[in-house]
Amino acid sequence: GAVVSQHPSRVICKSGTSVKIECRSLDFQATTMFWYRQFPKQSLMLMATSNEGSKATYEQGVEKDKFLINHASLTLSTLTVTSAHPEDSSFYICSARWQGNYEQYFGPGTRLTVT
Amino acid sequence: AQSVTQLDSQVPVFEEAPVELRCNYSSSVSVYLFWYVQYPNQGLQLLLKYLSGSTLVESINGFEAEFNKSQTSFHLRKPSVHISDTAEYFCAVMSGGATNKLIFGTGTLLAVQP
Repeated sequence: GAVVSQHPSRVICKSGTSVKIECRSLDFQATTMFWYRQFPKQSLMLMATSNEGSKATYEQGVEKDKFLINHASLTLSTLTVTSAHPEDSSFYICSARWQGNYEQYFGPGTRLTVT
Repeated sequence: AQSVTQLDSQVPVFEEAPVELRCNYSSSVSVYLFWYVQYPNQGLQLLLKYLSGSTLVESINGFEAEFNKSQTSFHLRKPSVHISDTAEYFCAVMSGGATNKLIFGTGTLLAVQP
């Protein structure tokens, strides 16, 4: 149980375009979802926390107009990278949890490459 | 502010040898501690966690970690490693507050050699 999926697993886009990444909780209602970014051979950096039906809370230094997060339902959150640039290339990982549970369940990640 | 330190970026070890991956944290409040494993190009899998109770926690594949409050440590150990244990291991801390944010260490690559 507690499975989180991400789509797509890999995406290549051209500089200046936007790309959307989906994060779904398959067998539970995710009251909170988290989005992380991981650079090669580095740790995970929390980008934002989103609660269902509310605006996302972004970490310091993360541009909320560039990384649009929507958590419209209890099973789906999306991250849209707007006007992507090569420096946005990274591994993006989401996680989800339900209310009252401390544990976060992680998706398999999405590899974004901006050319 | 909370932080997690994993001093070893890479730990090479021979198969069937014991291993210890070190993790130290800093926090002014009570914490929950986690170890995650990440295989190449994959997401994170929870290996084990400490929330409360017994300070020694074990995973199903032979890993164990001990919460040491006085030393603010949560080192990961395995008495005999396998080639398949080769992966990146992340220690993480979460405060008991409302945000439930995870703070990750920089990771340790466990490289098991035949």
